[in-house]
Amino acid sequence: GNSVTQMEGPVTLSEEAFLTINCTYTATGYPSLFWYVQYPGEGLQLLLKATKADDKGSNKGFEATYRKETTSFHLEKGSVQVSDSAVYFCAFLRGNNNDMRFGAGTRLTVKP
Amino acid sequence: DTAVSQTPKYLVTQMGNDKSIKCEQNLGHDTMYWYKQDSKKFLKIMFSYNNKELIINETVPNRFSPKSPDKAHLNLHINSLELGDSAVYFCASSQDLRVGEQYFGPGTRLTVT
Repeated sequence: GNSVTQMEGPVTLSEEAFLTINCTYTATGYPSLFWYVQYPGEGLQLLLKATKADDKGSNKGFEATYRKETTSFHLEKGSVQVSDSAVYFCAFLRGNNNDMRFGAGTRLTVKP
Repeated sequence: DTAVSQTPKYLVTQMGNDKSIKCEQNLGHDTMYWYKQDSKKFLKIMFSYNNKELIINETVPNRFSPKSPDKAHLNLHINSLELGDSAVYFCASSQDLRVGEQYFGPGTRLTVT
């Protein structure tokens, strides 16, 4: 069945480092893909999304490109900040009922 | 203004008890959801409702019963609580069944002792 696989964390970076969190999907067709972020003690927030192949989602310096050739939707940021410390979830829509399925999450810690 | 709110934020109770968690959204959305997040942060859909109609009903024990009195509210009632029910429960909403973006509440941390 359809699924997303994220790189295992935790990921620890120094401030201003480059970030990549890998996400690959297995799907029939080309489902919409999402990145959500969960800051400590909070609910998830949508970070960015892409609804079709070759789309690039971007927000707050984060980017991800929907690549059907590699079935990937990797999250990148050129220069992370301490405030980016959070858990990041890759997700996709399954079927027609806005059924959102999440990856296992990747915890990012950014140190000053 | 809080978009999606849940009460209580923390809930500590003993095995065998019955408890409810309430969720309200003021976004005018048609669709609401309940998710369970375990201690490893894995997030799993439990239920979704659209205009008070049950849409998604994942394989959860029938001790869990959602209730939607109107489209702005989706409550979760849990009977005969078990240790394994300890988790953070998140309510979410979306504009409708076609729009991907979901707005999450702050979560309810349930601890069963």
